[in-house]
Amino acid sequence: SQTIHQWPATLVQPVGSPLSLECTVEGTSNPNLYWYRQAAGRGLQLLFYSVGIGQISSEVPQNLSASRPQDRQFILSSKKLLLSDSGFYLCAWSVSERYEQYFGPGTRLTVT
Amino acid sequence: GDSVTQMEGPVTLSEEAFLTINCTYTATGYPSLFWYVQYPGEGLQLLLKATKADDKGSNKGFEATYRKETTSFHLEKGSVQVSDSAVYFCALSALNSGNTPLVFGKGTRLSVIA
Repeated sequence: SQTIHQWPATLVQPVGSPLSLECTVEGTSNPNLYWYRQAAGRGLQLLFYSVGIGQISSEVPQNLSASRPQDRQFILSSKKLLLSDSGFYLCAWSVSERYEQYFGPGTRLTVT
Repeated sequence: GDSVTQMEGPVTLSEEAFLTINCTYTATGYPSLFWYVQYPGEGLQLLLKATKADDKGSNKGFEATYRKETTSFHLEKGSVQVSDSAVYFCALSALNSGNTPLVFGKGTRLSVIA
């Protein structure tokens, strides 16, 4: 069966510090991968998605970036965090020939 | 563009009450439709889905029927429990390709009180 991992689970970072969030998927090959952000009490905002290694589509221009160095690894980064980057970050995957996305447990980021 | 509209929350119900959460969509073609549930502090879980008109998705006592004529996919449960308290998201996938990101509604918070 497939599983998706995210770490860390929680993170408190000062403004201006760098960020690296990691997501890995097990039990499937060549998944589509997604990063979402959920601000407090708000809906989901799609940040990035990837259909293959090195292929990243950005949905929202901002100070975040994403990379896919391996088939089942997706990394969300920032060089300098802003207060507005606080939120709940969710990674998801889907199999290309199917429709559903499956979500990880999320990372709660607080920028202070 | 494609969009999903959900009823505004929060919805507060007593235990064993009947639940309906409305969802309507706008999309080209024939989308697949989904309901996701998010419990506090967790990621989203796929609750149910329907891939063509008149399909009924069901899981854990929840049901939703794909109504093409009304472009709707309302979520229902006959008797809610306190454990159903969560945020519910309606979503669509407009093309027959998993490469297309899902379009989500804004979510509806449900609180069930004993």
